[in-house]
Formats: sequence, structure tokens, C-alpha cells
Amino acid sequence: EAGVTQFPSHSVIEKGQTVTLRCDPISGHDNLYWYRRVMGKEIKFLLHFVKESKQDESGMPNNRFLAERTGGTYSTLKVQPAELEDSGVYFCASSRNPNYNEQFFGPGTRLTVL
Amino acid sequence: DAKTTQPPSMDCAEGRAANLPCNHSTISGNEYVYWYRQIHSQGPQYIIHGLKNNETNEMASLIITEDRKSSTLILPHATLRDTAVYYCIVFPDSNYQLIWGAGTKLIIKP
Repeated sequence: EAGVTQFPSHSVIEKGQTVTLRCDPISGHDNLYWYRRVMGKEIKFLLHFVKESKQDESGMPNNRFLAERTGGTYSTLKVQPAELEDSGVYFCASSRNPNYNEQFFGPGTRLTVL
Repeated sequence: DAKTTQPPSMDCAEGRAANLPCNHSTISGNEYVYWYRQIHSQGPQYIIHGLKNNETNEMASLIITEDRKSSTLILPHATLRDTAVYYCIVFPDSNYQLIWGAGTKLIIKP
């Protein structure tokens, strides 16, 4: 069974540019989560999809962040325009059953905003 | 905010059992204790979880005190590859966010 994959592994952009991160969950996992760790801080929840619907987006920092999961398969997280404080590692995770919260994490995308 | 307290760091000799404590004194009756770890430059990895009873799987054992206010993760025979940050997370079955603390940095020494 293939694990959660994320693309790209690294992204370096300039302030004001747009970046789109992609996450492919484990096949059959309806639940998809985005988290991020900014430098020196703890991992923070961003949002949770159940299939294509946003179940909880309470952790999204502001309206510069837009997450989508069209068709309930892969998900994208777009940051537009990127700011310096958006730098960090963005993790995606998926799970089959939200009531049994073994979340499988991808390797993360390291985003650097210059 | 995280509802758990863990020591910031611990050392353990290779081949010995690593015992990682976690305090969760405000845990509610419907909340589970989950353990994850993050090896450097990798995504977090699920280890084990429990509600009341002690649990064991191929990776670790989880001992939860009778009052459920604390728990201990046991890696029975630690290897160098177990060097990682270990997170104890209290998780209600009706909320799907994992709320992360600072974790315990476990260093396994040869």
C-alpha cells in the first residue's frame, strides 16, 4: 500500500508569489488533514477534509490560504500571496476512519519564503 | 493548547527499554491517549493509542495509570533508529484535530 505522498518536497519562493502544495492520501482514505510547523513552533492543525467536504478549517491562519479536494482524492493547499511567516513544513495526513485516529503522514513540503 | 506535559528530552542506551512519561491530568472520560513520533526530516508516525487498558503492539507498549492522569510509552529494546521526538496527544473521539505539544526528544546512545 502506497503511503501519503506530497509534492514538492521543497519550495523556495519570494514574498508575494503563489505556491500550491499537493497531497495524495492513501487510497480509500476519506479523511485528509493538513498541518504545518513553522520555525521553532509546534505542529499546528490547519484543516480536515472528509471526502471533498471541509469538515473543519478552524486552523487556517487567514484567507491567503485555500485548500481544495476536488473529487475527494488528492488535495491542494494554495498560499497566495505568500508572506515570510508562511515559511515552514507543511504536512498532509490521511485516515480511513476519523473515530480511530491513526493518521498516516506524508513526508512534508518544506516551504521557504524569501 | 496541548493538554499533555512531557519532559523536553531523555537519553537511553541502545538495547535498553526507553520509558517516556506523559502527564494528562485534565483528561476526560472519552479522550484517548495517542503517541506519535517524528524522526528527523520525516513526517510524524503513529505508534500506539489507548483509552483505559494497557496496550501493546509491535512497536511499543502503553501503560495508562488507573486514574488515567498519566501514561508511559515503553520502547522495549531501543535502537539508534528510535531517536526521534515523541508526542503524547490526548484526543477526544469527537474531534479530529491532533493537538501537538513540544514532545520529548529521545536520544538513543550506542
